[in-house]
Amino acid sequence: AQSVTQLGSHVSVSEGALVLLRCNYSSSVPPYLFWYVQYPNQGLQLLLKYTSAATLVKGINGFEAEFKKSETSFHLTKPSAHMSDAAEYFCAVRESSASKIIFGSGTRLSIRP
Amino acid sequence: DTGVSQNPRHKITKRGQNVTFRCDPISEHNRLYWYRQTLGQGPEFLTYFQNEAQLEKSRLLSDRFSAERPKGSFSTLEIQRTEQGDSAMYLCASSPRILRQGFREGTEAFFGQGTRLTVV
Repeated sequence: AQSVTQLGSHVSVSEGALVLLRCNYSSSVPPYLFWYVQYPNQGLQLLLKYTSAATLVKGINGFEAEFKKSETSFHLTKPSAHMSDAAEYFCAVRESSASKIIFGSGTRLSIRP
Repeated sequence: DTGVSQNPRHKITKRGQNVTFRCDPISEHNRLYWYRQTLGQGPEFLTYFQNEAQLEKSRLLSDRFSAERPKGSFSTLEIQRTEQGDSAMYLCASSPRILRQGFREGTEAFFGQGTRLTVV
């Protein structure tokens, strides 16, 4: 069965610092992996997705993530945090043969001035 | 393409009442999903449609919950005899047809703004 674990329910970084949000997945087949962002009282917006084309995936707003099969990880990074990055971030997995997308419990990112 | 539309955005209801939410997916998306999200949690899968067929239901979807997608276009989610534990954000998402032969694009789901339900 597919599952996602996000390490750290809350991450706080200073403006301009590196952002690292951790995600580990479990899947019996090569997965599709996603990072979504959610602002308060809003739906989810796709940041980036992994579909086996390239292990380093670039997304919107300067975010990127690297798929590491040996570590079953798909961590999200951004070199320099901006105040507007403060939001909830969700890692998600979808098995290639299944239909539903399974989400992690989320990581709340706070940015200190 | 106007995105996934959900109505209403907010709903306050008294315990025991029935409520119905509507989702209009992105046109030509044949897959439609309902999720429930409580405060501080990730979205939990409820059910999934491919065209008009409901292909999967979570055990979270009790007998009080029913979803339909007539004609494979918009969908409705009805909750009967609401309970305080039903208070949550209900999210709808749609996804385009996944092409075969190894073409892996179009795999993500596009979400609506959600309907926030408060049961008092």
